[in-house]
Order: sequence, then structure tokens, then C-alpha cells
Amino acid sequence: NAGVTQTPKFQVLKTGQSMTLQCAQDMNHEYMSWYRQDPGMGLRLIHYSVGAGITDQGEVPNGYNVSRSTTEDFPLRLLSAAPSQTSVYFCASSPVRSDEQYFGPGTRLTVT
Amino acid sequence: AQSVSQHNHHVILSEAASLELGCNYSYGGTVNLFWYVQYPGQHLQLLLKYFSGDPLVKGIKGFEAEFIKSKFSFNLRKPSVQWSDTAEYFCAVTKGGKLIFGQGTELSVKP
Repeated sequence: NAGVTQTPKFQVLKTGQSMTLQCAQDMNHEYMSWYRQDPGMGLRLIHYSVGAGITDQGEVPNGYNVSRSTTEDFPLRLLSAAPSQTSVYFCASSPVRSDEQYFGPGTRLTVT
Repeated sequence: AQSVSQHNHHVILSEAASLELGCNYSYGGTVNLFWYVQYPGQHLQLLLKYFSGDPLVKGIKGFEAEFIKSKFSFNLRKPSVQWSDTAEYFCAVTKGGKLIFGQGTELSVKP
């Protein structure tokens, strides 16, 4: 199993550009989530999904959209990037909502 | 606001020293508790977790944590650290299906 995979590993955007961060898992996990990691702030939950077709907001959802059309994939969209979205983004999955989450390798995003 | 607090932002120890990292949470009722570790340049990995039962939980690499319900605490301990334990450590709590992290503690172990 590849586990949780994320692409790209690094990305530089200009303010106002849009992009999609990809996340996929091959463990048939129902629960998937997106976090951003910023120095001194730990990881903050952006959006999560409890199954295909179901998504909900986390702590810091503004500026991000998600969809979950399949169990495997959970892309994160930035519609109009802002410098405040410069961060490292982690995708995670879990067999159930309250259990251990398995994290991907992260995407380092810089918005100039 | 409800939260997860880690008291130490950066801890520096010499090899063989004992480690204790504090974690407190402010959620009432039933919670699931986790410690994750992030080695330099790597993604987060689970060290240990507590759902119920014995409040002293043993994890990988000689780490353990004690859940004290009355203090809303879940402190991480290791009797003797190694240089390879240099990493960032995150306490996390699951409440209402959401995993909420503390701010993280950076541990530097000097050889």
C-alpha cells in the first residue's frame, strides 16, 4: 500500500492564482481531512470528509474548497491564493473519525 | 475557547536525560488522546494513543503517556532520550470527530 499520497510536494503561486492540492489514499478509509501547519500554531483543520459526497468545515476553512467524489481522493482547492495561505499542507485519512489518522508527506506552498 | 495546550515550545536535552512534555486540553466529556511525532523533513507519525482503560499508555520507541482525567492532562514521557528523538511532538485530541492539535513542542537532543 502507498498509504496517503500528496502532490505536488512544492508549489509557488502568485497572489490571485488558483490551484488544487491532490490527496489520495489506498486504504479504503472513510474519513479524510486537510490540515495546514504553521510555525508555533501546530496543525489546524481546514476541511474534512466522513465519506464520499460528504464534507464539512474545520477550524480554518476560509479560502479553501473541497469535494469528495470517491473514497480514495480528497482534493483541496485554493480559488484565489493569498500570502496568508503560505503554509505546509497535510492530508490525512482514518478508518473511522475518532481513530488514529495516517498522514501524507505534505505540500509546501508559497504564495508571493 | 476549547483547545489543546502544550506548555513547552522548545526543549533542549542531553542524551540520556529524562523527558516529560506537558499537554492539557479543555474539552469536557469523553475524548480520545494522541501524541504524534514529526521527524525533520518527514510527515507525522503516531507515537501512542489513549481511548479508554489503563491511563498509562505505552507507545513506540520507549515513549509513554499518562492520562489524568482530573487534570485534563496527557503528558508524554521517556526515561532516557536519544539524539534520534530530535523532532517536533504534537499532542492531539479527538472531540466530535475532529482531531485538534496543540501547538507542538520542538525537542532538540544534544549528543
